[in-house]
Formats: sequence, C-alpha cells, structure tokens
Amino acid sequence: DSGVTQTPKHLITATGQRVTLRCSPRSGDLSVYWYQQSLDQGLQFLIQYYNGEERAKGNILERFSAQQFPDLHSELNLSSLELGDSALYFCASSVESGTVNEKLFFGSGTQLSVL
Amino acid sequence: AQKVTQAQTEISVVEKEDVTLDCVYETRDTTYYLFWYKQPPSGELVFLIRRNSFDEQNEISGRYSWNFQKSTSSFNFTITASQVVDSAVYFCALLGNDKIIFGKGTRLHILP
Repeated sequence: DSGVTQTPKHLITATGQRVTLRCSPRSGDLSVYWYQQSLDQGLQFLIQYYNGEERAKGNILERFSAQQFPDLHSELNLSSLELGDSALYFCASSVESGTVNEKLFFGSGTQLSVL
Repeated sequence: AQKVTQAQTEISVVEKEDVTLDCVYETRDTTYYLFWYKQPPSGELVFLIRRNSFDEQNEISGRYSWNFQKSTSSFNFTITASQVVDSAVYFCALLGNDKIIFGKGTRLHILP
C-alpha cells in the first residue's frame, strides 16, 4: 500500500459527460501528480500541484482541469468526455516539489471507461 | 526536450532465464534522475529504483540489477533467474526540470 488513495477505482460513463477523479496523497506529501495511462500513448504526465499551486503542466487537454485543495487532496475534472479518454488515471504524491530526490508514490488508479 | 525510449514492447522468457529490459533517455539537464517502476497485473505502479545522474555505480538488489551508462544514455534493468511473479509491465522514467517522463513500458511475460 503506497498510502495514496484514489477514488473511484472504476468509472463508466458516456460521451459528453463530466467526471471527477479524486486523490488523497500520502500524509505529509505536498506534491500531487496526475498521469494518464492508455494503450496507445503509454503513461503520460498531465499536471502537478505543489502545496495548492500548479507547478508543472504536461499533456493535459483543455477539457481537463485539476486543483489541489487546502487539505492537499486533489481532483481531476474531465469534461466533454470522448471515447479516447478511456484510460487508467493515476495519481502520485511526493514530499518535494519535483526537482531532486524525487520518489513518487502512486495510487492504484481510476479506470475510466467512456462508452 | 526529454525523451525516454523503451524499444522492447513485449518480451517473453522461460522461467529461470535472465532478461534485460532496455531504457534509453534523452535530456539536456545536467542533473536528472532515472527510475524504474513495475506495474503488475493488479495495476498499481511500484517503485523499484531511483538513480541520479552523478552516480553511475551499478546497483544490485536481489535478483534485480541496473546498469547506468551515461556515455550511451542508457539505464538498463536485468532480472536474473526470472520468476513467474516478475510478469508485469516495467516502466523506465526520467525526472528533470520538474517534469517526469515515462517510457511506454515493456510488457514482460515469464513463462512457467
């Protein structure tokens, strides 16, 4: 158990809908990262938050947004869902901001299926 | 730009054979970190090793060993005397300049 909690584990929805994925980092970790893992694209970094502020942005679509709350949990919002958004979405956390001595702890992921 | 290439998409070996998973990276950062993660069938990503760019010493942990060669920008992972439980997808990753980039992974099948 990595200490990172993601909910829900599975999510099935239809095209055009909006969903929210939730992540609770390990106790004491200030950074939260979101990744998308799909069969064709592999594991793609989406976005990082550090202590409530956006720190780094990767291949995140404009239809997607995220935030980190004062209690450090994070939510990833996916809207106007398309079939191609079906993927496993991982959250990871770490103590540091992502520069040195980085050791990421991953949650078990949320499997999103868009029908 | 940063890039991680795992050229082997899928590998199958018979149990007890040794197997090496290749990882080649590109970065302009002078300080960076390399990682290997394992993703078993259960889906979670499990951290295996972190290596910084200044430490080219090879590392051995049980049946696992890692060969970091800066001259060829490679960070290869060898499993000795493979076991069926080693079957998983293995990801190599590079951390530099606040961003971590993953390779596409190598799916390893260990056949009994």
